[in-house]
Amino acid sequence: KAGVTQTPRYLIKTRGQQVTLSCSPISGHRSVSWYQQTPGQGLQFLFEYFSETQRNKGNFPGRFSGRQFSNSRSEMNVSTLELGDSALYLCASSLWATNTGELFFGEGSRLTVL
Amino acid sequence: GQQVMQIPQYQHVQEGEDFTTYCNSSTTLSNIQWYKQRPGGHPVFLIQLVKSGEVKKQKRLTFQFGEAKKNSSLHITATQTTDVGTYFCAGPTGKTSYDKVIFGPGTSLSVIP
Repeated sequence: KAGVTQTPRYLIKTRGQQVTLSCSPISGHRSVSWYQQTPGQGLQFLFEYFSETQRNKGNFPGRFSGRQFSNSRSEMNVSTLELGDSALYLCASSLWATNTGELFFGEGSRLTVL
Repeated sequence: GQQVMQIPQYQHVQEGEDFTTYCNSSTTLSNIQWYKQRPGGHPVFLIQLVKSGEVKKQKRLTFQFGEAKKNSSLHITATQTTDVGTYFCAGPTGKTSYDKVIFGPGTSLSVIP
């Protein structure tokens, strides 16, 4: 079966712009979570969605937001980009709640903010 | 809040040597997962441990969950160049399905051929 698909894979933005990243989970998976990965901070939890509802949120500013659609696809948005937002953004899907089983990660969207 | 730590941060080994990474949580975990991320890749699930004192093996990899369910280890016997990557442990912040999963900072393994 197809894996988790993230688009775009690479993007370059400038400070102050906004960006939207997309994640299509494995078919049948209802939970999608997002992580920010940077060399110095590892994998930082952003938020988790389950059946279109945000179940949990990490310690990120309000500029980071997300949503999940009825087909389980998810998007995350970052507004007013800052240099420090440069990172690999990973999406993970799971069949049920994130903390009950295996997370399947996409290849990530690498964001560079200039 | 809950913290998940891993040591060492980096490990360089000669091919054929053994390798161990340790994961410690500030709170009791209902389960713990291990992931491997190859350079330039994404994290890939290796295993989940649930029971206190549980030990699981996958070929040259041995995973252990501590008796108090606050620590875990991953041991690789006779490392190979294919073992290169960063190994992360991850655990839920609580026992309900609403609790998020947080990751340790990872141990980066380099294998010298």
